[in-house]
Amino acid sequence: EVQLLESGGGLVQPGGSLRLACAASGFTFSNYAMNWVRQAPGKGLEWVSGISGSGGTTYYADSVKGRFTISRDKTKNTLYLQMNSLRADDSAVYYCAKSPHEYGSVRYGMDVWGQGTTVIVSS
Amino acid sequence: QSALTQPASVSGSPGQSITISCTGTSSDIGAYKYVSWYQHHPGKAPKLMIYEVSSRSSGVSTRFSGSKSGNTASLIISGLQAGDEADYYCCSFTSTNTLLFGGGTKLTVL
Repeated sequence: EVQLLESGGGLVQPGGSLRLACAASGFTFSNYAMNWVRQAPGKGLEWVSGISGSGGTTYYADSVKGRFTISRDKTKNTLYLQMNSLRADDSAVYYCAKSPHEYGSVRYGMDVWGQGTTVIVSS
Repeated sequence: QSALTQPASVSGSPGQSITISCTGTSSDIGAYKYVSWYQHHPGKAPKLMIYEVSSRSSGVSTRFSGSKSGNTASLIISGLQAGDEADYYCCSFTSTNTLLFGGGTKLTVL
């Protein structure tokens, strides 16, 4: 069974940093593009970042470019999101999600999602 | 980049059909066949319903279908059921190599 399990969320002060992790199982992790998507309280879904299966190509929403870094470790089957210079409007549930097509890019969307991890940015 | 435009809410009675529209631009929906739709029940993980405009995800009922015309994509749900009540989001690949979601539509089954 394909599973994604996020961790690393918590309470952080404005300007602080946090690293989210997403442990993947049930599929050949390095063959699939992966994404991070967030949902702020009372708001809709927002795509945050994506990464190719090899890790060689990364993509970011304008709202996080220059502050967030996506990466992956194929030896640990884990996806990461390093979040720096955090702001109050980064508070959200963060989901990791898998691309549906093996060897495909992020363009195809997301077929399997984790349950999410909550980030609260507040003093 | 602004979110794709969806109606905030739609409603229908059991057994009826409804359509949720998703309007973008020639740089996203109008340019690519990479439009997907997600069903989201609050507190749960979103679920892929439709990908590449009109392909149903594995296990999704045939009551769900998708289409696209120009810069607007649509999700059609026929034979509405109580369990269909949820938030629905469209998502499109864009010319800047990013993904863009719609603002979401709350479906109420009367």
